[in-house]
Amino acid sequence: GAGVSQSPRYKVTKRGQDVTLRCDPISSHATLYWYQQALGQGPEFLTYFNYEAQPDKSGLPSDRFSAERPEGSISTLTIQRTEQRDSAMYRCASSPGLAGETQYFGPGTRLLVL
Amino acid sequence: SQQGEEDPQALSIQEGENATMNCSYKTSINNLQWYRQNSGRGLVHLILIRSNEREKHSGRLRVTLDTSKKSSSLLITASRAADTASYFCATVLMEYGNKLVFGAGTILRVKS
Repeated sequence: GAGVSQSPRYKVTKRGQDVTLRCDPISSHATLYWYQQALGQGPEFLTYFNYEAQPDKSGLPSDRFSAERPEGSISTLTIQRTEQRDSAMYRCASSPGLAGETQYFGPGTRLLVL
Repeated sequence: SQQGEEDPQALSIQEGENATMNCSYKTSINNLQWYRQNSGRGLVHLILIRSNEREKHSGRLRVTLDTSKKSSSLLITASRAADTASYFCATVLMEYGNKLVFGAGTILRVKS
């Protein structure tokens, strides 16, 4: 596609529910990243994929957070048993190669946990 | 935790003036990148400077990097109202070659 897309753009859920966020990267890009951005802060790294491999999960806040990219293209980020502190903007980015290049960001999903 | 710290936190200038934002970081880097975030829009990449470069230009943007001081600056010349946004520096660390580590950002307001 022309750019990185994310869905939904907004998600309101109740505490304890599971949510799944979707990212559709630029089609030729090998690497896909997930970030969490609190209000007034810069994005914080969660995890990334090289195609379908997930070499680094170090930023995931807890085992309630998981991500997949089974066919090396579209990715999902799932948060189980959501808590109010999970409320944030979740941003996806992709890049052509593997090593610290320019990242192209999607519009983000704003998650609000009530 | 965030590695970069931007300074100032907020900046307000008149259209046509220059804006300078600074970024400091803590550990050795592969490269440093600057991004812009407008309200309601995603993050947009502005410029990337590698650890062996000292200065880079792109249009009205000028970025410098001083690895001895672990700092970078972004200069926007002849600012426009459309430059109003949050600006973030992000570093790619030597030991974690793929992830970006962002600072908290500088909020720039350009008054027309």
